[in-house]
This record gives sequence, C-alpha cells and structure tokens, in this order.
Amino acid sequence: EVQLVESGGGLVQPGRSLKLSCAASGFTFSDYNMAWVRQAPKKGLEWVATISYDGSSTYYRDSVKGRFTISRDNAKSTLYLQMDSLRSEDTATYYCAREGIPTADYWGQGVMVTVSS
Amino acid sequence: DIQMTQSPSLLSASVGDRVTINCKASQNINKYLNWYQQKLGEAPKLLIYNTNNLQTGIPSRFSGSGSGTDYTLTISSLQPEDFGTYFCFQHNSWPGTFGGGTKLELK
Repeated sequence: EVQLVESGGGLVQPGRSLKLSCAASGFTFSDYNMAWVRQAPKKGLEWVATISYDGSSTYYRDSVKGRFTISRDNAKSTLYLQMDSLRSEDTATYYCAREGIPTADYWGQGVMVTVSS
Repeated sequence: DIQMTQSPSLLSASVGDRVTINCKASQNINKYLNWYQQKLGEAPKLLIYNTNNLQTGIPSRFSGSGSGTDYTLTISSLQPEDFGTYFCFQHNSWPGTFGGGTKLELK
C-alpha cells in the first residue's frame, strides 16, 4: 500500500525557517517524481514544487522561488521541503504527492505550517 | 498560470441522486484533467485521471467527460460515502492548477 507521511510542521515566526519531510513507503521511491502542494486556510490548492525521480531537476512556483528548496534522499525514501524566509502567506497545510502515471496519484494527509509572530 | 473555475462550490444532494460538477479552464488543457475527493483530515483521493479514466479501485458510478476547456465529473447514484469535497486539477502545463472545490453535502 502506498503511504506518504508528512512531518515537521508547526508555528514559526516570519522570516524564520522550517523543514518538512515526507516519508514514503509501499513503492519504489526512486522511480517517481515527487511534489509539494499546499492549501491555505479557506483557500484553494497550490502546486508548490516538483523534483525529478533522481533529484537532478527541480521546479518551483514563482512565489516561493529563491526561498524554498525541494530535495530528496532516495536511500531513505524521503522527500523534503526546506522553507526559508517564511511569510504569513505561506501559512497552509502542505501535502506531498507522488507524480506517478497518472500525475498526482497519491497524496499524504498533510502537515500544517503556521507563520505568525 | 491556467485558471480553473469549478462549479458549483456547494452542492446539496440525497443518496441515489445523480450529480455533476464542472470545471472550466482558462485555456485548452488537452484533457489533462484529474478529479479528486477529499474528506476532512484525509489525503485527497484520485478518482478520475486524464478526463475519463477511472483510477483503480474507484467505483464505476464515478465518470468524467469533457474536452478543450470544459470538463465534468458525474456521480450516477450518490452513496453515503460520497459526501465530501471534490476538486479538479489540470496538469497540461506547469504549474498544475486546481479548481476551487465543490463541497457535496447531504440534503
């Protein structure tokens, strides 16, 4: 059974950093591109970043470019999102998703990030 | 980014009803449209991919159709477990973008 379990969320002050993790199981992690998607309270979903199966390529939405870094450790079957210079508008539930065929076929349950002083 | 306009935002229906949810893209998305169901506190679940392909394990009462900019999710006969929030997702171009969601509630 495919499982994606996010961790690392919490309350953080504006301008500070936080690192999210997503532990994958039930499939060969190194075969799949992976992504982070977020949902701000009472708002719609936003695709945040994508990383290729081998980590060689990454893609970011404009609003997080230069502040967020997506990475992965295939030996540990874990996806990461390093979030620096956090802003109040980054407050959201963050989901990791598998970029399978079909795209975004499995998602985690999400982890909450609150940016507030 | 491609804008996805989903309607209705709230849908009240009864068990056994046939319901439809619509998504309209701001440009042609070439049928690269997925539908998901989400229940409170749970991970989103893929129902339909690339417009009309039923994901493994999803009941056949769910179906999808559409082309170009207009897409529809149909549930032929609502079951109690179908209540929740549904959203569409286009992955024709990066970044993928989502509809605003439809909350399907019991009438």
